[in-house]
Amino acid sequence: ETGVTQTPRHLVMGMTNKKSLKCEQHLGHNAMYWYKQSAKKPLELMFVYNFKEQTENNSVPSRFSPECPNSSHLFLHLHTLQPEDSALYLCASSLGPSAHNQDTQYFGPGTRLTVL
Amino acid sequence: DQQVKQNSPSLSVQEGRISILNCDYTNSMFDYFLWYKKYPAEGPTFLISISSIKDKNEDGRFTVFLNKSAKHLSLHIVPSQPGDSAVYFCAASGAAGNKLTFGGGTRVLVKP
Repeated sequence: ETGVTQTPRHLVMGMTNKKSLKCEQHLGHNAMYWYKQSAKKPLELMFVYNFKEQTENNSVPSRFSPECPNSSHLFLHLHTLQPEDSALYLCASSLGPSAHNQDTQYFGPGTRLTVL
Repeated sequence: DQQVKQNSPSLSVQEGRISILNCDYTNSMFDYFLWYKKYPAEGPTFLISISSIKDKNEDGRFTVFLNKSAKHLSLHIVPSQPGDSAVYFCAASGAAGNKLTFGGGTRVLVKP
């Protein structure tokens, strides 16, 4: 596998379910990101991790819980979501702060989440 | 307040002609700009970037121009091909670490 991979690609869950999204990067990067893309809206940054430490939480509700066990893996744990949380969830990775302000993010294919 | 704006939601162009996509930003702290291409149900794919110390960067059919005084950048695709039909996002960073701020996207349709 190369680049940034995400599983599952599609997920349907009820409001009382608990599920997790997984992201893995094979680029040797130090930063990982979660984004949300809802219909007809710009990409919204959710979380940023640099060297496994969370450096940004963009006012995301606590029903979304990220986990970054190492620089190559990122999870998004989902719990008691709402139908309006249905969206495409994208993971990205980049070199991070060591890129000296020319940091390019590379995206995974996304997980299409539907909350019933 | 949207700091990065793409004012044209869509663009239609004939195959072989030039596609010009525009992007405006408001934050003068941005110093690195990127363009991404996105097909439906896929993640954005990085296309080309430009640092604020340059005013032009070229990569094959893709050229990005930066006008810092106008806080404006553009992406030129020439010649346009049917496979270029996608949504294009501009993004900017530099105002806050390695965060990217995205525009709303421009849908490009290249007609054969």
